Amino acid sequence: AQRVTQPEKLLSVFKGAPVELKCNYSYSGSPELFWYVQYSRQRLQLLLRHISRESIKGFTADLNKGETSFHLKKPFAQEEDSAMYYCALNGNNAGNMLTFGGGTRLMVKP
Amino acid sequence: DAGVTQSPTHLIKTRGQQVTLRCSPKSGHDTVSWYQQALGQGPQFIFQYYEEEERQRGNFPDRFSGHQFPNYSSELNVNALLLGDSALYLCASSPADRIHNEQFFGPGTRLTVL
Repeated sequence: AQRVTQPEKLLSVFKGAPVELKCNYSYSGSPELFWYVQYSRQRLQLLLRHISRESIKGFTADLNKGETSFHLKKPFAQEEDSAMYYCALNGNNAGNMLTFGGGTRLMVKP
Repeated sequence: DAGVTQSPTHLIKTRGQQVTLRCSPKSGHDTVSWYQQALGQGPQFIFQYYEEEERQRGNFPDRFSGHQFPNYSSELNVNALLLGDSALYLCASSPADRIHNEQFFGPGTRLTVL
């Protein structure tokens, strides 16, 4: 079985502060991990994926297989980063089926 | 390209009724997945359609069924509605190129069961 856990429902930081949204997963094989974001009144959209190893909007995420984590980080939060963030897993033998965490709401205060 | 589209936007039904939700995938996509998102939770996978066949299914009862048409659009049907079926139903499509594996989501259909 595959499971994704996001321990924080809400994360509130001030503009310019570092941000880390936590994601832990449970899967016996080699998973593909994603971060999806949903801005206010917009649809769910892909932010980044671990195989791309790229930074999107200043966000990065590193897959740590030893700790089974895929935390999302940004050194300096901006107000426009305020949104719902979902970590998702696609098991390598599960076709293209995503298992989502419960989501973390990030609020960046001015 | 309007991306993934879903209809209707909102729907109100009563317990025991049946409902059909519709989805048109993004241009060039051949795979459609459906997710249920209850209030305050992450999306939960219902099933996935490819080449007009159900390819994968999550942990949902048989009351949830679907269909994919030759033009790749899809329907989600829910029979004998329960109060607990109230949720946002999301459709996602995937590109024919399986290497990239990204799913593109629609805006969702908000179903309320009274």
